[in-house]
Amino acid sequence: DAGVTQSPTHLIKTRGQHVTLRCSPISGHKSVSWYQQVLGQGPQFIFQYYEKEERGRGNFPDRFSARQFPNYSSELNVNALLLGDSALYLCASSLTRTSTDTQYFGPGTRLTVL
Amino acid sequence: AQSVAQPEDQVNVAEGNPLTVKCTYSVSGNPYLFWYVQYPNRGLQFLLKYITGDNLVKGSYGFEAEFNKSQTSFHLKKPSALVSDSALYFCAVRDIYYNQGGKLIFGQGTELSVKP
Repeated sequence: DAGVTQSPTHLIKTRGQHVTLRCSPISGHKSVSWYQQVLGQGPQFIFQYYEKEERGRGNFPDRFSARQFPNYSSELNVNALLLGDSALYLCASSLTRTSTDTQYFGPGTRLTVL
Repeated sequence: AQSVAQPEDQVNVAEGNPLTVKCTYSVSGNPYLFWYVQYPNRGLQFLLKYITGDNLVKGSYGFEAEFNKSQTSFHLKKPSALVSDSALYFCAVRDIYYNQGGKLIFGQGTELSVKP
């Protein structure tokens, strides 16, 4: 079975631009979470979606938004990019949003903002 | 607030020797604890988790972790290290409060280096 997939793999943008990152969860998984991993740090939670509704939001500015589609795939959008948004963006899927569920991560999208 | 700490930035081990990667946690209520491994330029791979029950949890690739409630620790262990185990290891705790959506809170990571 395919794992979590993310696209694109790498992305280079300039300050002020907008970016859209995509994620497809493991088949049968209904929850998708997004994390930001800055070099040298652990991942930081951005959003969780379950059944197409936002179920949790981390401490990120309103420039960050996301949505989940009827097929449970998800998009993360970042507006007005800043240099500090350069990071690895990770998507994770789980069966539900139950606390004991394991989150399985995709390979990530490496975003570089110049 | 829920948190985890990994006190060692780097652990060096000789191949064939046992390895331990340390993690301590601070939670309100019962802890749900996870270990993940990250290879260079890759996402995180799930190794194991502790939810309840036996304090010794067995996971993928020969790894295991020992949950110790009195010491609030969840150390990752392997009896015999391989060079291919060299990677970045993350401990995480699940934030179970509703308005956080069950997010994972990660430690800062421990770089494991296994030398031949």
